Amino acid sequence: EVQLVESGGGLVQPGGSLRLSCAASGFTFSSYCMSWVRQAPGKGLEWVANMKEDGSEKYNVDSVKGRFTISRDNAKNSLYLQMNSLRVEDTAVYYCARDYYDSGRPTPGKYWGQGTLVIVSS
Amino acid sequence: QSVLTQPPSASGTPGQRVTISCSGSSSNIGSKTVTWYQHLPGTAPKLLIYSNNQRPSGVPDRFSGSKSGTSASLAISGLQSEDEADYYCAAWDDSLNAVVFGGGTRLTVL
Repeated sequence: EVQLVESGGGLVQPGGSLRLSCAASGFTFSSYCMSWVRQAPGKGLEWVANMKEDGSEKYNVDSVKGRFTISRDNAKNSLYLQMNSLRVEDTAVYYCARDYYDSGRPTPGKYWGQGTLVIVSS
Repeated sequence: QSVLTQPPSASGTPGQRVTISCSGSSSNIGSKTVTWYQHLPGTAPKLLIYSNNQRPSGVPDRFSGSKSGTSASLAISGLQSEDEADYYCAAWDDSLNAVVFGGGTRLTVL
């Protein structure tokens, strides 16, 4: 059974840092591109970043460029999101998701974690 | 302002057919496939449609997707009360080098 379990969320002050983790099981983690997607309170889903299966390529949304870094450790079946210089508007539930490829590009697919809540507030 | 445009709300009565639209551009829907998700508050988003019109196993055939040009649609036939949820479209965008989501459509079953 495919499982994705996020952790690392919590309350942090503006300008602070957090590192989210996503533990994967039930599939060959090193064979899949993985994404982070977030949902701010009262807002829609927003894709944050993804990383190719071997870590050779990664992309992220403009609003987090220079602040958030996606990484993975295939030996530990884990995906990470290092979040620095956090802003109030980064407050959201953060989900990790396993991507599928179509048209040569990855998109979050069938498997998602339950999410971890990040609150940025003073 | 989302890159993909969806109506904020839709509604229907049990048994009806409803359609949710998703409008984009040549850099996303026009050249890439569309994915649809169903999302209930407090739960993980659920994949409904991938590759424009493919249903994952376990998704009822009441749900169908289509794409034409730079627009896509999700149709739900035989509407049921449990279909009340938020629905999102998504696609890769070649100009942004990013996955873009629609703003979401809240479906109410009257």
